[in-house]
Amino acid sequence: KQEVTQIPAALSVPEGENLVLNCSFTDSAIYNLQWFRQDPGKGLTSLLLIQSSQREQTSGRLNASLDKSSGRSTLYIAASQPGDSATYLCAVNSNSGYALNFGKGTSLLVTP
Amino acid sequence: EAQVTQNPRYLITVTGKKLTVTCSQNMNHEYMSWYRQDPGLGLRQIYYSMNVEVTDKGDVPEGYKVSRKEKRNFPLILESPSPNQTSLYFCASRPYRTGGDTEAFFGQGTRLTVV
Repeated sequence: KQEVTQIPAALSVPEGENLVLNCSFTDSAIYNLQWFRQDPGKGLTSLLLIQSSQREQTSGRLNASLDKSSGRSTLYIAASQPGDSATYLCAVNSNSGYALNFGKGTSLLVTP
Repeated sequence: EAQVTQNPRYLITVTGKKLTVTCSQNMNHEYMSWYRQDPGLGLRQIYYSMNVEVTDKGDVPEGYKVSRKEKRNFPLILESPSPNQTSLYFCASRPYRTGGDTEAFFGQGTRLTVV
């Protein structure tokens, strides 16, 4: 069964810093990997989707990379802002089924 | 606007009282699923549906039922809720494509408390 791990579990940074969130998965046979943002008690907002054939995707200040062979993805946030404070979830869509396997998330706090 | 809509957003109920959480999507997606989110456990899939009248169990199906009579709707039914079903529930949809490489869209969540 696909296991997805996110490190760190929590992160606090001052405003303006660049930061990296990590996601690792155990089975490299994947269709795609999706990064989500979740505000407290709220729904999931899709940030970036990387197909298995891609190396990275960019949206504004966000850049996600994928190294399928090593089972790793990173989410890079440039020039962080207090409004970026949220939990970031990594989800892997494996070849073995249609379910998304989620990591437990990284809780990010950006302080002014 | 493309969206997945869940109702209600918040629900407090008593043990044993049947309830239904509705989910509707307007993107003509074939695949729909339900997840629950619990502290320390992350999101886990409850049930999924590949298309109308086709449903199957996910990782944690006990105590839940689903139906898929129409393509756009995928209700989650708790016949006899128990306190261990207190959780945050999400409905998701995605188009079906051979290869599976499609983006998932999630509803805003339903916070269920069973007392």
